[in-house]
Amino acid sequence: QVQVVESGGGVVQPGRSLRLSCEASGFAFRTYGMHWARQAPGKGLEWVAVIWFDGSNQYYADSVKGRFTISRDNSKNMLYLQMTSLRAEDTAVYFCARDLTGYHYGLGVWGQGTTVTVSS
Amino acid sequence: QSVLTQPPSVSAAPGQKVTIPCSGSSSNIGNNYVSWFQQLPGTAPKLLIYENNKRPSGIPDRFSASKSGTSATLGITGLQTGDEADYYCGTWDSSLSALIFGGGTKLTVL
Repeated sequence: QVQVVESGGGVVQPGRSLRLSCEASGFAFRTYGMHWARQAPGKGLEWVAVIWFDGSNQYYADSVKGRFTISRDNSKNMLYLQMTSLRAEDTAVYFCARDLTGYHYGLGVWGQGTTVTVSS
Repeated sequence: QSVLTQPPSVSAAPGQKVTIPCSGSSSNIGNNYVSWFQQLPGTAPKLLIYENNKRPSGIPDRFSASKSGTSATLGITGLQTGDEADYYCGTWDSSLSALIFGGGTKLTVL
């Protein structure tokens, strides 16, 4: 079945870096855009970034622009989120999600999330 | 404060109908497709509606949605206690070049 599974979350100190991974299965990964979204404790959903099916375009939320980088490896069916200069306000559950198309049409299938805690 | 505006909460009795509005602008809802997501307590969000009013396979027809101008509405009929969840609207914003969500609406089935 169509599935995306996140990993790589943990506790990290402010200012440090962390890389999240998302493994996709059950569909032609290389033909779909992929997103990261997050949800801070007790808060609503916040979109983080999207990458097109071929990696040719990426878009970011203003809150992470310049600090986070989304990337993908279509040969491994893997999506990544490299997070640098982490702040307390980046603490959240991070979700990987497949787009409805190869671009940034909208979020379809979601993973269960991985938790990132930024704290000293 | 979210670019898309939703009421923080709505409530209705079992078996009744409820609507959840989502208000935006011409740069988002007015010119892009709207999706709706359901997030049950302690779980990941799930796609309920895409392209303004289409249901993915497996979503019951008790869930429906519409769009008019710069606003969208999710409707749920025959409410069940299992429908208690947070509901989010989402769409692309062409001015921000970003995907945006509403602040979410908590549905209580009394």
